[in-house]
Amino acid sequence: DTAVSQTPKYLVTQMGNDKSIKCEQNLGHDTMYWYKQDSKKFLKIMFSYNNKELIINETVPNRFSPKSPDKAHLNLHINSLELGDSAVYFCASSQGVSGNTIYFGEGSWLTVV
Amino acid sequence: AQSVSQHNHHVILSEAASLELGCNYSYGGTVNLFWYVQYPGQHLQLLLKYFSGDPLVKGIKGFEAEFIKSKFSFNLRKPSVQWSDTAEYFCAVTSYNNNDMRFGAGTRLTVKP
Repeated sequence: DTAVSQTPKYLVTQMGNDKSIKCEQNLGHDTMYWYKQDSKKFLKIMFSYNNKELIINETVPNRFSPKSPDKAHLNLHINSLELGDSAVYFCASSQGVSGNTIYFGEGSWLTVV
Repeated sequence: AQSVSQHNHHVILSEAASLELGCNYSYGGTVNLFWYVQYPGQHLQLLLKYFSGDPLVKGIKGFEAEFIKSKFSFNLRKPSVQWSDTAEYFCAVTSYNNNDMRFGAGTRLTVKP
């Protein structure tokens, strides 16, 4: 069973559209994250939720809105997609907010055309 | 906030050569240190981690890393690389009391058969 699963894995969409990426973890963790990996492979944290509460919110355009309906899910909604949003988005999870390993999903490849 | 620098952008080795990838972090407090590997088209997988104790950490697939506190370093080593080690390697750091993980820019390793 996949520990951290994301859907869709690949997404090609036009500029201006609104899209969502879903993430679910079955590890029983209470903390989830979204990371963005750009074309140069640079990984940067976007958001982190602990027990459905936002605890890390990096400087990200407000077109990006995470939603955590429960501890096992953290979805990422993106409004008015721009070319620069093209990247790989990784969901991740951990137990607690400190001192534990972060487990990553397989990534969602978003291409905006 | 903490930051991470990886010295080598792209390393090319022949099979059986020894590997050392540099990683330095910037943070004044106690840290947790990680190395992740990303095989082509795949998600990040944890190679090894250091939280406390023996500064020489052994991970999967024959990798090890040494935490040198005085140098703020956590270099990754492998005595004899294989073609299958071709991947992107990321060093990452969190402070001991939160999981705001910061990644280095990554080092691409190419192993020639």
